Amino acid sequence: DTAVSQTPKYLVTQMGNDKSIKCEQNLGHDTMYWYKQDSKKFLKIMFSYNNKELIINETVPNRFSPKSPDKAHLNLHINSLELGDSAVYFCASSQLGSANTGELFFGEGSRLTVL
Amino acid sequence: GNSVTQMEGPVTLSEEAFLTINCTYTATGYPSLFWYVQYPGEGLQLLLKATKADDKGSNKGFEATYRKETTSFHLEKGSVQVSDSAVYFCALRYSSASKIIFGSGTRLSIRP
Repeated sequence: DTAVSQTPKYLVTQMGNDKSIKCEQNLGHDTMYWYKQDSKKFLKIMFSYNNKELIINETVPNRFSPKSPDKAHLNLHINSLELGDSAVYFCASSQLGSANTGELFFGEGSRLTVL
Repeated sequence: GNSVTQMEGPVTLSEEAFLTINCTYTATGYPSLFWYVQYPGEGLQLLLKATKADDKGSNKGFEATYRKETTSFHLEKGSVQVSDSAVYFCALRYSSASKIIFGSGTRLSIRP
């Protein structure tokens, strides 16, 4: 039973299209994240939601819009895709609070290729 | 600001060699420190962690000690295996915030 699952695993699309990536976690965590990993393996945080509220919003183009319908789900919608959006997008979750170290649990990634 | 610096790769070693991957950090307060590993085609997974000075995290033969005086959290393993080939990320989390900051990753390749 996968703890953090994201779909689709692979996405190939044309420039200008709109696409979504979905993420679900069954760990009962209160916080979820989207990270972008480029071809050099640099990991950059994009967004984080805690109990459905946006708590981290890094400098990301507003073509990227996260949505958290409940604390177990965090989706990422991308409008007007550009070549530079090609990357692997990782969803992650954690449990925050002073009793926890907040370690992250990652999904397997969604590889987006924009042609 | 807060940051993590780790040695650049790739690092290539022979099986059974000793491994060190250096990691230093800059942070205010007392962050928690982590090492994550990413095997080919997979997401990151936690390898080990330490939450306070002089703590030693260990897992799968890997170790790292939280050194506040040198602001370091170097990853070591006494005898590496081919199956250890992966990308290793050092990371820190502020003590009172939710953001985890990752280093740039070090690719490790082990030759049989």
